[in-house]
Amino acid sequence: EPEVTQTPSHQVTQMGQEVILRCVPISNHLYFYWYRQILGQKVEFLVSFYNNEISEKSEIFDDQFSVERPDGSNFTLKIRSTKLEDSAMYFCASSYRVANQPQHFGDGTRLSIL
Amino acid sequence: KNEVEQSPQNLTAQEGEFITINCSYSVGISALHWLQQHPGGGIVSLFMLSSGKKKHGRLIATINIQEKHSSLHITASHPRDSAVYICAVNENTDKLIFGTGTRLQVFP
Repeated sequence: EPEVTQTPSHQVTQMGQEVILRCVPISNHLYFYWYRQILGQKVEFLVSFYNNEISEKSEIFDDQFSVERPDGSNFTLKIRSTKLEDSAMYFCASSYRVANQPQHFGDGTRLSIL
Repeated sequence: KNEVEQSPQNLTAQEGEFITINCSYSVGISALHWLQQHPGGGIVSLFMLSSGKKKHGRLIATINIQEKHSSLHITASHPRDSAVYICAVNENTDKLIFGTGTRLQVFP
């Protein structure tokens, strides 16, 4: 069964550094998402992306965050200048269409900011 | 803003027991999802439903739109069912709003 893949599985970065989290969504999917889960808390929506543009973003997704689909397969989340509070598990998800289709999640990237 | 509440927060069971996890939400939705999060962190979609009932193997999900409530049932529970079960909803967009999850441990 096709799956969403995320790399790396664990990223350790110094505070203030830029980090790029990578995702390869399922190949025929059109809608892409990033979520994050701070340790011990619930999963939170960050951003949704369709047709090469952001369709919705949360308050968390400020100017330090950006997303890109640089080619036909990858979907990336960049954090420009990381803060300690960015430490979390970041999940990428994709779906074929919005209505009546579940989102398929990757296994996540654990981001640790030192 | 939708508040998604789950109960119980933690649940332990003996193998073979029937399990029920509840989810309630505060604002009308277009769909409700049940997801399973493994100890390693990965999230798997179990069900997406907007009305009625769905069944997959030993898992059954029901939703009552009028009462803004959904339940996930596991029949004949097994230790491999041990995981965090998460309820999430769509309002009028495709973003998911998550509940806090129910941690289930099934002992042999």
